[in-house]
Amino acid sequence: AQSVTQLGSHVSVSEGALVLLRCNYSSSVPPYLFWYVQYPNQGLQLLLKYTSAATLVKGINGFEAEFKKSETSFHLTKPSAHMSDAAEYFCAVSGGGQGNLIFGKGTKLSVKP
Amino acid sequence: ETGVTQTPRHLVMGMTNKKSLKCEQHLGHNAMYWYKQSAKKPLELMFVYNFKEQTENNSVPSRFSPECPNSSHLFLHLHTLQPEDSALYLCASSQDKGRTEAFFGQGTRLTVV
Repeated sequence: AQSVTQLGSHVSVSEGALVLLRCNYSSSVPPYLFWYVQYPNQGLQLLLKYTSAATLVKGINGFEAEFKKSETSFHLTKPSAHMSDAAEYFCAVSGGGQGNLIFGKGTKLSVKP
Repeated sequence: ETGVTQTPRHLVMGMTNKKSLKCEQHLGHNAMYWYKQSAKKPLELMFVYNFKEQTENNSVPSRFSPECPNSSHLFLHLHTLQPEDSALYLCASSQDKGRTEAFFGQGTRLTVV
């Protein structure tokens, strides 16, 4: 079975500061991992994905994530936060025969001026 | 434009009404999904269709009835809903029902009064 845990339902950073959103996964098979972003009253937009190639994955809007098997983690980072990054972020895992995406509960990112 | 279009964007309906949500994808994908997103709850996968065939129904009440006439269109028929069914309903599609990313529509904000 697969599961995802996102630590912190709400993270607040100052504009220009480092963004770190945490995601830990559990999977009985090598996982595929994803980060999505959701702006208010919008659908989810794919930020980046890990599919067993390079462990450091670069995505859109300056975000990146590193797959660490030993820590079962896939944390999302961005060196310098921008006001437009304020949104909710979801980590998801896909694995196993069904292949459906299993989502975490989400982390709401606030960016202070 | 994500390639997945949902209509209507907003819907208010009474508990005795019958309405339908529509989803259309222009990506040539074979799998389509309905998700429910309620406040303070994780994304809930409701139904999965693969090549027009329903492959999963995650214990969804019968007042929600999906229909997939072809690989590009997905409907969610609603009748005799309850106020707790008020939520954002998201449609998504993926290339296959496997370990690939899903593309989401912008959602339908449903309010049951």
